[in-house]
Amino acid sequence: NAGVTQTPKFRILKIGQSMTLQCTQDMNHNYMYWYRQDPGMGLKLIYYSVGAGITDKGEVPNGYNVSRSTTEDFPLRLELAAPSQTSVYFCASSPRGDELYGYTFGSGTRLTVV
Amino acid sequence: SQKIEQNSEALNIQEGKTATLTCNYTNYSPAYLQWYRQDPGRGPVFLLLIRENEKEKRKERLKVTFDTTLKQSLFHITASQPADSATYLCALDRGSTLGRLYFGRGTQLTVWP
Repeated sequence: NAGVTQTPKFRILKIGQSMTLQCTQDMNHNYMYWYRQDPGMGLKLIYYSVGAGITDKGEVPNGYNVSRSTTEDFPLRLELAAPSQTSVYFCASSPRGDELYGYTFGSGTRLTVV
Repeated sequence: SQKIEQNSEALNIQEGKTATLTCNYTNYSPAYLQWYRQDPGRGPVFLLLIRENEKEKRKERLKVTFDTTLKQSLFHITASQPADSATYLCALDRGSTLGRLYFGRGTQLTVWP
């Protein structure tokens, strides 16, 4: 099992550019999440999805968009990159209604906006 | 919103000792609490979960307690080893079907020989 796969691992963007962070999972999990982690800070929830076609905002959604067309994929879109979006982004998934296994996280995407 | 505090940013202990990490929370009481390990440059890895009606949970050298009166969880690593060196995160969930986790900043544990 690959688990949760994120691409790219690193990216440098110029202010105002756009990009999509890819996330795919092969565990047939219904729930998927996007978090960002800033140095010395806890993980902050950006967006989440409870199933294909259903998404909702988390704590810090401004400047981001998501879509969930399939169970496997949950891409995160940055439309107009800003320096404040410099962070490490983690995608995670979990089985619906079964908290026993916790979340499975990807290895992250380190994004720098200059 | 939920506020989560982990006792300190860094904890240094000698190999063989027991490491104890603290997680305090405010506002509403979570249905369960989770602990994760995070190594540099990697995503968090799930370790243990404890429900609000459980006082203690064990897994090998790990032990977690949950005191809903004190709004506190303690995470213990017994017989610590240098390989246990990592950042440990606590996370809370409200127990809703949405399953949204709120994470603390983490405690960086260093175990020296």
